[in-house]
Amino acid sequence: SSELTQDPAVSVALGQTVRITCQGDSLRSYYASWYQQKPGQAPVLVIYGKNNRPSGIPDRFSGSSSGNTASLTITGAQAEDEADYYCNSRDSSGNHLYVFGTGTKVTVL
Amino acid sequence: QVQLVQSGAEVKKPGASVKVSCKASGYTFTSYYMHWVRQAPGQGLEWMGIINPSGGSTSYAQKFQGRVTMTRDTSTSTVYMELSSLRSEDTAVYYCARDGGAGDGYTTYMDVWGKGTTVTVSS
Repeated sequence: SSELTQDPAVSVALGQTVRITCQGDSLRSYYASWYQQKPGQAPVLVIYGKNNRPSGIPDRFSGSSSGNTASLTITGAQAEDEADYYCNSRDSSGNHLYVFGTGTKVTVL
Repeated sequence: QVQLVQSGAEVKKPGASVKVSCKASGYTFTSYYMHWVRQAPGQGLEWMGIINPSGGSTSYAQKFQGRVTMTRDTSTSTVYMELSSLRSEDTAVYYCARDGGAGDGYTTYMDVWGKGTTVTVSS
C-alpha cells in the first residue's frame, strides 16, 4: 500500500508564511486533499484538487503539487491556524483505497 | 444543512464487537460515498474503508480486512461500521466522512465529517 510522508512539526511566526509538504508515489496520479484538525475536534477540509478551498476557508490557505509532492501553504499565518494538518489521497494501487499522511503539527509563534 | 450524526461512545471488552452508526441528512444519501476514519489517542488519522451507499459495495484497508464490515440502510440514510475481535489497540475515535469527490477519479476529498464516536476497549 502507499504511504504519505509529512514533516512531524513546523513553526511559523505570526503573519509569516509556512509550507507543509506531503510526499508519496500516489501523488503522481492523484490530487491530495488537506485537513486541519484542532484538539478535540473532527478534521476540517481546507484544500482539495488542484487548489480548491471549500466555502468558509480563508484564502490564506492554498495548495500545489509537483511530481510526488503536494504542498499546503498558509500565507500570513494566524494564531487560529495552529493545528495538526493531514494530507490524504487515493492509494497508488489503483484499487479504491485511500491513505492519510503522517500529519504535521503547525505552531504559530 | 448537510450533517452526519454519529452514535454515542462505547466501552467494549477485548474480543467483542462494536457497531457504530452514522446518520446522514441534508443531501441525497445515495449520491455520495462514505469513508470511515479512526484516530487512536495522540495518533494520526487512519483510513479504514469506504462504502457506496447506493449499491453497498465496499473497500477496506488491508489492515482491517476480515475484521471490519461496513453496511448501509437507505431507508434511514445511515451507514454502519462494525469492527470485531476488538483489542486494546482499537481504542480510538471513529469518524464517518462524506466523499465529496469530483467524480473524475483523481480529485477526492472528505468534505463533511461526523463529530466522532469514542470506542474504548478495556477489560
